[in-house]
This record gives sequence, structure tokens and C-alpha cells, in this order.
Amino acid sequence: ELKVEQNPLFLSMQEGKNYTIYCNYSTTSDRLYWYRQDPGKSLESLFVLLSNGAVKQEGRLMASLDTKARLSTLHITAAVHDLSATYFCAVDIWGAQKLVFGQGTRLTINP
Amino acid sequence: EAGVTQFPSHSVIEKGQTVTLRCDPISGHDNLYWYRRVMGKEIKFLLHFVKESKQDESGMPNNRFLAERTGGTYSTLKVQPAELEDSGVYFCASSPPDVGDTEAFFGQGTRLTVV
Repeated sequence: ELKVEQNPLFLSMQEGKNYTIYCNYSTTSDRLYWYRQDPGKSLESLFVLLSNGAVKQEGRLMASLDTKARLSTLHITAAVHDLSATYFCAVDIWGAQKLVFGQGTRLTINP
Repeated sequence: EAGVTQFPSHSVIEKGQTVTLRCDPISGHDNLYWYRRVMGKEIKFLLHFVKESKQDESGMPNNRFLAERTGGTYSTLKVQPAELEDSGVYFCASSPPDVGDTEAFFGQGTRLTVV
């Protein structure tokens, strides 16, 4: 059974600091997704990572994928309050067309 | 373009009652998925429709849950009778018909509370 683990589950940080959220998964997979959720809102797709070594960046967020280590990271640079949200990673089970999610990381950025 | 829409956004019902959740996918999206997040836990897959057919219902917890997608458009998820452990947020997602494309667009979720 595929398991996806995120850490940390809760993260409180100050504006201007850098931090990384980690996502480990237990079985080979072809795709890894990062989503953001604001309270009461839908899950917003941030990144889709398709291959080993893939790196994508959008603003202050950068995601990477190491398929050999079965690890993805979401790095936050110079955090700002607007980035406060819950972040989920999810892994695609190829051919099954369903996602296995991590527990989510609740990120709070304090002024 | 309208996104995935779910109704209601919140529902509070008593144990033993019936609740029906609705999901309207993005127009043209053949794939429709239901997921659930129980308090503090991970989001878990429930089932997957391709048009009106159930492609995979391996995540459905038990026979108190019934999902339908008549006509291949909107979908309903009925819980009957509801139990306390059914409380959580139910998400619907849809994706285009391309084979192997699982980048899904999610709705805002329905928060179900069973008391």
C-alpha cells in the first residue's frame, strides 16, 4: 500500500525566513503534486512534478522531486503572510487515476 | 469558466439521518472523483467515475455510502444512515478525459458534521 508522509505537520514561522516541507512516499510513482488549501476553499494545484530531478518555481515557492529517494520538497523563500495555508503533497498511482495524499502541513506565517 | 462546485458547503445532521452531497464538475470533464478528509487525517480517495460509470470504488468505506452520476454530469454522494465517524470534509474533483491525466481540479468541499 502506498503511503505518503509529510513533515512537519505544523509549521509556524516569521516573515522573511526560509523553510522546507518534506514529502516522502513509499512506492514508485510517476507524478507528484503539491496543493495549497486556504480555509473553506478548494485545493489549488501548485506544482506537478513528473520526473527525477524536476524542479519548479513559482514566486517564493520551489518544489523538487527525487524519485530515487522517493522524496519531494517544497521550499519557501522569504516567507510572507499570504503564504499561510495548508499544503498537501499527493502521489499518483500510475494507471489508477487516483491520488494518495500526505497528511498536510499547516503553515502559519507571522508578521 | 466555472470550477468544480459542491453543495452544500456545510451540513450538520443527526446520527441515523440521511445526507446527500452534490458535485458539479467542470464542463467536459469525464473523470469525477470523490475524496474525504476525516478530522486531522490525510485526504483519502473514495471513488472515481468515468462519465456515468464507476471506474474504481475501492475507497468507499462501507455500504452506507452510495455514489451516483446519472447522465455523466453531476454526481451525488449519499450517506444513509449517517454515523459519527462519517464527519469530515468531502471533496469532489474532476479532470479532462485524456487517458492517464490525473491532474484534477478540486471543489471547495462539503464539511459534514454528524452529531
